Amino acid sequence: NAGVTQTPKFRILKIGQSMTLQCTQDMNHNYMYWYRQDPGMGLKLIYYSVGAGITDKGEVPNGYNVSRSTTEDFPLRLELAAPSQTSVYFCASSSRLAGAFEQYFGPGTRLTVT
Amino acid sequence: AQKVTQAQTEISVVEKEDVTLDCVYETRDTTYYLFWYKQPPSGELVFLIRRNSFDEQNEISGRYSWNFQKSTSSFNFTITASQVVDSAVYFCALSVAGTASKLTFGTGTRLQVTL
Repeated sequence: NAGVTQTPKFRILKIGQSMTLQCTQDMNHNYMYWYRQDPGMGLKLIYYSVGAGITDKGEVPNGYNVSRSTTEDFPLRLELAAPSQTSVYFCASSSRLAGAFEQYFGPGTRLTVT
Repeated sequence: AQKVTQAQTEISVVEKEDVTLDCVYETRDTTYYLFWYKQPPSGELVFLIRRNSFDEQNEISGRYSWNFQKSTSSFNFTITASQVVDSAVYFCALSVAGTASKLTFGTGTRLQVTL
């Protein structure tokens, strides 16, 4: 199993550009999440999904959109990139099976907006 | 709302020293889960442990041990005989039952272990 994979690993965007961060998991997990990590800070939840077709906002959703058309994929869309979106983005997944609440994280995408 | 506080921003120790990383949490819910994650210099996040709110038993795994005390809302992490490979940022996190396992993270403690 590859676990949680994210692409790209690095990206530089100009202000106003758009892009999609890809996230795929092969563990058949129902729950998926997007977090951002700013320097010296913990991770903050952007969006999450409890299953295909169901998404909801987290703590810092402004400037982002998500979709969940399949169990495996949970892309994060940035529209009109701003310097404040410079961050490291992590995708994660977890199972809804009883007793299995830990999240497994992808390797992250380092995004710079200039 | 939930909150996790890791007051220690950075800790430096010499190899073989013991070190404790502090974690204090806040929640009004009675059923919750506490986690520790490790983020080595390579950047990935590695799950270390999960603890349920109804299980206050301490846990030991090799050189790692965790002390969960509901009375002080703390979930501290001790590394015994630290090694250079333990150098990383360590995050404590909290999720509440019935919230789709969403995690609230602390700001992390950077541990530097030198020879």
